[in-house]
Amino acid sequence: KNQVEQSPQSLIILEGKNCTLQCNYTVSPFSNLRWYKQDTGRGPVSLTIMTFSENTKSNGRYTATLDADTKQSSLHITASQLSDSASYICVVKSSGDKLTFGTGTRLAVRP
Amino acid sequence: DAGVIQSPRHEVTEMGQEVTLRCKPISGHDYLFWYRQTMMRGLELLIYFNNNVPIDDSGMPEDRFSAKMPNASFSTLKIQPSEPRDSAVYFCASSPDRPSSPLHFGNGTRLTVT
Repeated sequence: KNQVEQSPQSLIILEGKNCTLQCNYTVSPFSNLRWYKQDTGRGPVSLTIMTFSENTKSNGRYTATLDADTKQSSLHITASQLSDSASYICVVKSSGDKLTFGTGTRLAVRP
Repeated sequence: DAGVIQSPRHEVTEMGQEVTLRCKPISGHDYLFWYRQTMMRGLELLIYFNNNVPIDDSGMPEDRFSAKMPNASFSTLKIQPSEPRDSAVYFCASSPDRPSSPLHFGNGTRLTVT
């Protein structure tokens, strides 16, 4: 069964600090991996999409990594800001149109 | 680009009533998805359309749920009759017909069934 597991479930950090969110998946066959940010009361917004051949991809202060051999991905947030407080969802796409969603990591950035 | 537009933003109804959720996808997007989000289960795919045709409705919980896409710019998700366990946030999303294109989500409809 295709699964995406994220850790930690929740995280509290101080403004300005860095943090790393983890995503492990057992989706097969693999097509791409996506990270979404979901602010409270809003729909998820795409941060990055990574294909099999991409190891690292950055979007401003967000850097995603992918290890297709171990089926792991991480999202690193640098110099966190209050606006980074949100849920971060890892989504893995298999062949065809099938997406498997993780349950997300809830990040709170405190001043 | 107005994004994916959903209405209403909030819906409160009594058990047994019919509920209709509406979605306008981004113009030019070939795919439209309906998701349900709860704290316990996260985002779950209910049904998706390609060029207005339903492709996979295996996520629709039961016959009380139905979805239509009469044209490329409008879709509805209907629950009849509604039950308290249907309470959740329902998202519509659309994407163009490219494998690495992200989903563009609306801001959801928060449904409360009392």
